[in-house]
Amino acid sequence: DVKVTQSSRYLVKRTGEKVFLECVQDMDHENMFWYRQDPGLGLRLIYFSYDVKMKEKGDIPEGYSVSREKKERFSLILESASTNQTSMYLCASSPRQGGNQPQHFGDGTRLSIL
Amino acid sequence: GEDVEQSLFLSVREGDSSVINCTYTDSSSTYLYWYKQEPGAGLQLLTYIFSNMDMKQDQRLTVLLNKKDKHLSLRIADTQTGDSAIYFCAEVGANNLFFGTGTRLTVIP
Repeated sequence: DVKVTQSSRYLVKRTGEKVFLECVQDMDHENMFWYRQDPGLGLRLIYFSYDVKMKEKGDIPEGYSVSREKKERFSLILESASTNQTSMYLCASSPRQGGNQPQHFGDGTRLSIL
Repeated sequence: GEDVEQSLFLSVREGDSSVINCTYTDSSSTYLYWYKQEPGAGLQLLTYIFSNMDMKQDQRLTVLLNKKDKHLSLRIADTQTGDSAIYFCAEVGANNLFFGTGTRLTVIP
């Protein structure tokens, strides 16, 4: 089974802090994704990556950046956290380019910015 | 992005059938997916249907696809309390999946 592991289930940070959310997958997938999930809005794509050192903006990239230095690891960075970034963050991975493959999700990180 | 729509809430009694509906926008989508999210967890792939199919059955789950109306549904037979969760439909985009807002299914004992 595919395993997508997010480093923290719960995280509390302060406004203005730099926040790192880490995600690791163990199935040698090329594609990795970061979403945020908010009530009534479903999942919104922040960034995704097709390969090492490659990244593409999703629908809501503002206030975020990402890093993919190794194939198995995709990091989401909040450069200067703000309260409106309080949310559930979900990481996913899938094999190969193109959207036809299903995505496999981690358990999520619930981030609170105070 | 694409606009995938779902009702936000559904309540059913234990033992009844649940039907969760979804409308999507891209007629060229090759696959359509249903994901389940239990409380405090990530999304789990539940089932999928290829676009050249009208129906797919997998134990208690039946997926119906109406391509003309761009309508997808998930039927859960004999709904159990363990089926209480948020259900997301998703359609394939150029490089990604587009998710609906999710339907929160509550099963009443």
